[in-house]
Amino acid sequence: AQKITQTQPGMFVQEKEAVTLDCTYDTSDPSYGLFWYKQPSSGEMIFLIYQGSYDQQNATEGRYSLNFQKARKSANLVISASQLGDSAMYFCAMSFPKESWGKLQFGAGTQVVVTP
Amino acid sequence: DTEVTQTPKHLVMGMTNKKSLKCEQHMGHRAMYWYKQKAKKPPELMFVYSYEKLSINESVPSRFSPECPNSSLLNLHLHALQPEDSALYLCASSQDSGKGQPQHFGDGTRLSIL
Repeated sequence: AQKITQTQPGMFVQEKEAVTLDCTYDTSDPSYGLFWYKQPSSGEMIFLIYQGSYDQQNATEGRYSLNFQKARKSANLVISASQLGDSAMYFCAMSFPKESWGKLQFGAGTQVVVTP
Repeated sequence: DTEVTQTPKHLVMGMTNKKSLKCEQHMGHRAMYWYKQKAKKPPELMFVYSYEKLSINESVPSRFSPECPNSSLLNLHLHALQPEDSALYLCASSQDSGKGQPQHFGDGTRLSIL
């Protein structure tokens, strides 16, 4: 069974600072996909970044980067230069070929509040 | 604005009513998904359609009935729901249901069962 853990239920960050959101997972499967999603209070889930378990380089997308440490089973999201619009719930999610690549499993989420 | 459109945005219904949630995408995606999300919880997968065929049903009660009339549309038919079914229902789509395909979500339908 796979387990995804986000240990930070909530955090405050000052505008323009960087923030790291933790995600660890427990799986014996060598092949998997890692995703991060953002959910503002409006409800929409917004895809941020993807990392495949065999990808050699850490994924980056604009202000988002993924600190992927495979041996430690950790895939932390780094948001640089936080903006007020970054206030949202952030979910780490994974998929596995044994269950179906299309079946996303989510962590509990981290609520981020960006303050001026 | 998202590229996955869900209607209605809000729905209040009684336990004996029949209603439908609709989801539409025009990105040419061939996989579509329904999720249920309770307040302050992560989304939970309900159904996956791949190339208009139901590929995953996560043991969802039969009072929820999905339908995929064509590659752009996904419906969720609701009948005899219970108060615990009140939640945000999210639809998503992806290029296909293969490795590394990000799912693109709609804004959701907030459902309340009286």
